[in-house]
Amino acid sequence: DTGVSQNPRHKITKRGQNVTFRCDPISEHNRLYWYRQTLGQGPEFLTYFQNEAQLEKSRLLSDRFSAERPKGSFSTLEIQRTEQGDSAMYLCASRPGTSGSAGELFFGEGSRLTVL
Amino acid sequence: EDQVTQSPEALRLQEGESSSLNCSYTVSGLRGLFWYRQDPGKGPEFLFTLYSAGEEKEKERLKATLTKKESFLHITAPKPEDSATYLCAVRTSGTYKYIFGTGTRLKVLA
Repeated sequence: DTGVSQNPRHKITKRGQNVTFRCDPISEHNRLYWYRQTLGQGPEFLTYFQNEAQLEKSRLLSDRFSAERPKGSFSTLEIQRTEQGDSAMYLCASRPGTSGSAGELFFGEGSRLTVL
Repeated sequence: EDQVTQSPEALRLQEGESSSLNCSYTVSGLRGLFWYRQDPGKGPEFLFTLYSAGEEKEKERLKATLTKKESFLHITAPKPEDSATYLCAVRTSGTYKYIFGTGTRLKVLA
């Protein structure tokens, strides 16, 4: 068990470009979350998957953001036409079902996006 | 609207100087309160889960407590390696998301 893995760890892009982040959760975890965190702030919820189903998405999430989890394993988060305000750390977290779990999220190291 | 507020925003302690961090919450139905530690440039690391008022959890120099309106993270005789940002989060009824506070940045001086 190597924990939640996120790639790339750092991404620098120009405004208007598209970027994609990948998250590989802990293998037995069927629940996956994406969060965004800016400096000095707590993580802000973006979206939630249970297996391959996207069950919740933040109302604040622009339609430039899309996430998938096609086979219920890894997930991707794509940001289209990036803006400078998208610069942030994008965190992925996973957790198992409720049985035997305290409900805690296991976070990856994050993918830091800088939009120039 | 569900809300989580943490205080203070930042705290500087001398090594060995005990203190408490506060997390107050206003939610429609609490399904769990979580404490995390976050080091710079890293993802949050889970510390504790509390489910009901009166519950307490301990780990090394840290102790978390919960009332109906707030949670405290007590740090006893802190060491420099305890320096980090401490985040509080809640799960509530009717949503899958975890709502995080803005955190308390703790600096412990040797």
